Amino acid sequence: GESVGLHLPTLSVQEGDNSIINCAYSNSASDYFIWYKQESGKGPQFIIDIRSNMDKRQGQRVTVLLNKTVKHLSLQIAATQPGDSAVYFCAENMYGNKLVFGAGTILRVKS
Amino acid sequence: EPEVTQTPSHQVTQMGQEVILRCVPISNHLYFYWYRQILGQKVEFLVSFYNNEISEKSEIFDDQFSVERPDGSNFTLKIRSTKLEDSAMYFCASSLAGGSNQPQHFGDGTRLSIL
Repeated sequence: GESVGLHLPTLSVQEGDNSIINCAYSNSASDYFIWYKQESGKGPQFIIDIRSNMDKRQGQRVTVLLNKTVKHLSLQIAATQPGDSAVYFCAENMYGNKLVFGAGTILRVKS
Repeated sequence: EPEVTQTPSHQVTQMGQEVILRCVPISNHLYFYWYRQILGQKVEFLVSFYNNEISEKSEIFDDQFSVERPDGSNFTLKIRSTKLEDSAMYFCASSLAGGSNQPQHFGDGTRLSIL
């Protein structure tokens, strides 16, 4: 049969605005979460990570928030730039070394 | 900044043929992984490798798949008899430590097309 591709949600923001990308993860036992950025023709690029004993972590222009109660993760990008345009994935480490990826969100930055 | 490198960037193979995808992980990393991404779908875990043996594998990683670290720098994925449904992007990743201790860093992938 014919496989149906994922219809990724798209977030469009104006250059200079803040972006918030959301992710719902699946397993309450997951203890480690990573946000990746994927540009066209490239592999997932590490942005920031957070462990389950934290609820917030900040990097350069990025902040990750973790809400374990509702199994929700968000990535905030401050002062979004055209170079931030990409697909963003959250990934959870459920056990061992395996990462489980979310479906992804397309971020489009308008100049 | 050190990076994971993968070759070739694109591989076209006839169905039933064997294919080997190659990766050079980051030099001081100890854990190695393969993932795949079928067009339009999620990135899926295939296998993890540590201390010269498979530490974990998914249901996708059946007897047609094998991994090897033939020397101190390369990490390979072999598909023995390729099928049409093996067409995908294959990503290699490596990490300094396993589990929740260190992030996995990915290469830019090999696009495998099975005809």
